[in-house]
Amino acid sequence: GESVGLHLPTLSVQEGDNSIINCAYSNSASDYFIWYKQESGKGPQFIIDIRSNMDKRQGQRVTVLLNKTVKHLSLQIAATQPGDSAVYFCAERQDQAGTALIFGKGTTLSVSS
Amino acid sequence: GAVVSQHPSWVICKSGTSVKIECRSLDFQATTMFWYRQFPKQSLMLMATSNEGSKATYEQGVEKDKFLINHASLTLSTLTVTSAHPEDSSFYICSALSWGRGETEAFFGQGTRLTVV
Repeated sequence: GESVGLHLPTLSVQEGDNSIINCAYSNSASDYFIWYKQESGKGPQFIIDIRSNMDKRQGQRVTVLLNKTVKHLSLQIAATQPGDSAVYFCAERQDQAGTALIFGKGTTLSVSS
Repeated sequence: GAVVSQHPSWVICKSGTSVKIECRSLDFQATTMFWYRQFPKQSLMLMATSNEGSKATYEQGVEKDKFLINHASLTLSTLTVTSAHPEDSSFYICSALSWGRGETEAFFGQGTRLTVV
């Protein structure tokens, strides 16, 4: 079964708002985490990643936070735009480099203008 | 960045026939590729790990005789759905590992929509 899950299946925000998408993972041995964006009918698109020896990483308009104490991962999107509307998945690598990613259930982000 | 290409993007086949899906790494060599299946409104579920020159490793519950995986070169892995049935209709996605951003990164294909009628 899946070991990575998300708290909310859907999130609706207004354009310009900040969005926060959460993910809980269960495998404390996971060493690498990635957030993906998936648009309808397409493959996952890399957004941002973080290693287990970090607790925060920032990209362009996105920030990933990792709390290993409670095994929680979040994706923050600043100034959300309609083009951000998609399904977002967190994924974890449970073992070591070269092993497959395990995906969480996904959160659908809807941005209204 | 590294590019992974799947072909075809979509396919419709009759029940009982076999369908082959190709996954190519276009600008890098990939000794390891992965195949995922995604049903509507669900997450990606790992089916198997494909290693160049060796047998694929299948996840529990995935029938190896039904989902044949061949990884004969460093740039190509194929997934053949044999004797397809309507319940095999799904979105199939491959990924290939490459070194990027200081980490072994998984690059994903655009997916293949299989519809079995």
